[in-house]
Amino acid sequence: QSVLTQPRSVSGSPGQSVTISCTGTSSDVGGYEFVSWYQQHPGKAPKLMIYDVTKRPSGVPDRFSGSKSGNTASLTISGLQTEDEADYYCCSYAGSPFVFGTGTNVAVL
Amino acid sequence: EVQLVESGGGLVQPGGSLRLSCAASGFTFSRYWMNWVRQAPGKGLEWVANIKDDGSGKNYADSVRGRFTISRDNAERSLYLQMNSLRVEDTAVYYCAGAHPYNGNTHWGSWGQGTLVTVSS
Repeated sequence: QSVLTQPRSVSGSPGQSVTISCTGTSSDVGGYEFVSWYQQHPGKAPKLMIYDVTKRPSGVPDRFSGSKSGNTASLTISGLQTEDEADYYCCSYAGSPFVFGTGTNVAVL
Repeated sequence: EVQLVESGGGLVQPGGSLRLSCAASGFTFSRYWMNWVRQAPGKGLEWVANIKDDGSGKNYADSVRGRFTISRDNAERSLYLQMNSLRVEDTAVYYCAGAHPYNGNTHWGSWGQGTLVTVSS
């Protein structure tokens, strides 16, 4: 089971937008509408931010949005805020297993 | 309030065994798939195993299949992970993650705080 490829880090100033890519294959990202995104602050448990590619859980700010094209999914944070500084992981269903992305650190400058 | 509380982590020698537990509260445990997800120190997340709401279906990552066994006791509202033949590369924080409040098991809205397993001689 291989991992999904994410950029190691992205950064932006408060109020700006950043986009994190998550590249897989037709056996995972491209084959299912089951991509989710998790936010993880240092020393904390992951938190679900996006599921089923585009859906946002109750309580997650609408500045977080998800999309997918082919084998690549994306998470966009619009109007970046200081509390958004964290690690972000994509995750895709891939048959019976699940596969996570390599993780992206978002820095708010 | 939904809570998942892991326990059972610790230091174990290579080749040894350990059993992790996850106690659930605040939701109807028996209605949801449950998972174990791990994170090696300074590394990313790795899905380990999952189990269907009634315990009738189980799946494992290739890296642990044949060595780890996931189980649950719905009467006790608890999830377990029996880890045998432990290797140094199994060193990680192990999280209990539940599908609650969602149906199916394609994303996880409930997470515990994690328990650290260290495999070292």
